[in-house]
This record gives sequence, C-alpha cells and structure tokens, in this order.
Amino acid sequence: AQRVTQPEKLLSVFKGAPVELKCNYSYSGSPELFWYVQYSRQRLQLLLRHISRESIKGFTADLNKGETSFHLKKPFAQEEDSAMYYCALRLDGGATNKLIFGTGTLLAVQP
Amino acid sequence: DVKVTQSSRYLVKRTGEKVFLECVQDMDHENMFWYRQDPGLGLRLIYFSYDVKMKEKGDIPEGYSVSREKKERFSLILESASTNQTSMYLCASSLTATIWYEQYFGPGTRLTVT
Repeated sequence: AQRVTQPEKLLSVFKGAPVELKCNYSYSGSPELFWYVQYSRQRLQLLLRHISRESIKGFTADLNKGETSFHLKKPFAQEEDSAMYYCALRLDGGATNKLIFGTGTLLAVQP
Repeated sequence: DVKVTQSSRYLVKRTGEKVFLECVQDMDHENMFWYRQDPGLGLRLIYFSYDVKMKEKGDIPEGYSVSREKKERFSLILESASTNQTSMYLCASSLTATIWYEQYFGPGTRLTVT
C-alpha cells in the first residue's frame, strides 16, 4: 500500500543548528516526492520537488530509493523556518495529480 | 498568481445540519481537490474532480459528497454534519492531470460541529 511516514510530530532546534526532517515512503511504482510547508496563518504551499533537485530557502532533499527516504535538510536553521512541513508522494497513473501526504512535522526553531 | 478561495474561514454548525463548503479557483485548472487536515493525521483526501461533473472518491469520502457544475467551482457537502467532522478543510487545484503540476491550496475553512 502507498504510504508516507513522517516519524516526528515535533522537531525543536536552536537557530543556527542543522535540521533534518525525516520522510519515508512505501510505493511500488516510480515515486515522485515533494515537500510542502505551511507557515503560521498562511496557506499550504510547495517547498520543493525531488525531480527539480533545487535548493529552496536553503533546504534540500534527496530521494534515496534504496532507503525509500526523502529527508529534508538545512545546514543552519533560521527562526523563520518555523512551520509545519508535510512530505507528499505523487501516485502515477490515473487522471489526476493525486498526492498522499504524511502526517506532518512541526519545526520549531528557538532563538 | 493562482488564486484559490474558500467561502468561509470559520464556520460553526449544529449536528445534523447540511453544510456547504465552497471553493473557487481563477486559473482554469482542470483538477480540484478537497482535503481535511487534522493534527497527527496530516492531510487526507476526501474527494477530487478532474473535470466538470466528474468526481472520484478519495481516502475518506464517507459522510461527504461533492459537486462540480462549473470548472472554477468545487463544493464539498456534508449531508448531515456530525461532531467527528469538526476539522480544517482545505481545497486545492492543479492545472492538468496528464503531467505533473503543482497543487495550489486555499486558505482553509475551520469547521466546528457542535
């Protein structure tokens, strides 16, 4: 069955510390993975997509098919990174861009 | 700039009431989605639509129905609201289904059923 697992509900770090938000997936097809972010009182928005291999706001994520993981990383956390982060898996096939979301991790960056 | 709007930010309804949540997008997107967002459960897909008058069940459709009479509008209907439907409801849209396209989200409607 398709599944996205984010094992941490809350991750608290100090400003300037490295951040790693964990995401593991289960999918028999060819995975396409994303990170979405929701800042306080803002709408959910796309942060990055594994295919584009970009660094957005200093965040990167590498798809590791062997470990079925797509962890989000940033070397030095900033207070403005505090938000809810969701990992999402796109299911191929069908007539839609259907996503399966993980349960989310709340990142709290302390000053 | 893609705009997805939802009719209400906050809504309070009584058990048994019929509830309509409206979503409108202004970018001629083919796909529209309804999710509910609950702490510890993340986003769960209720229903989606890939064309006018077309709809498919998501992962948790029980107790909900949808309507898409026009391309820009996707309505979520709670036929008889129950307290376990208290949640944040998010609408999203994406351009097309044949290739990947980003889902754009609305601001959400926080529904409380008492």
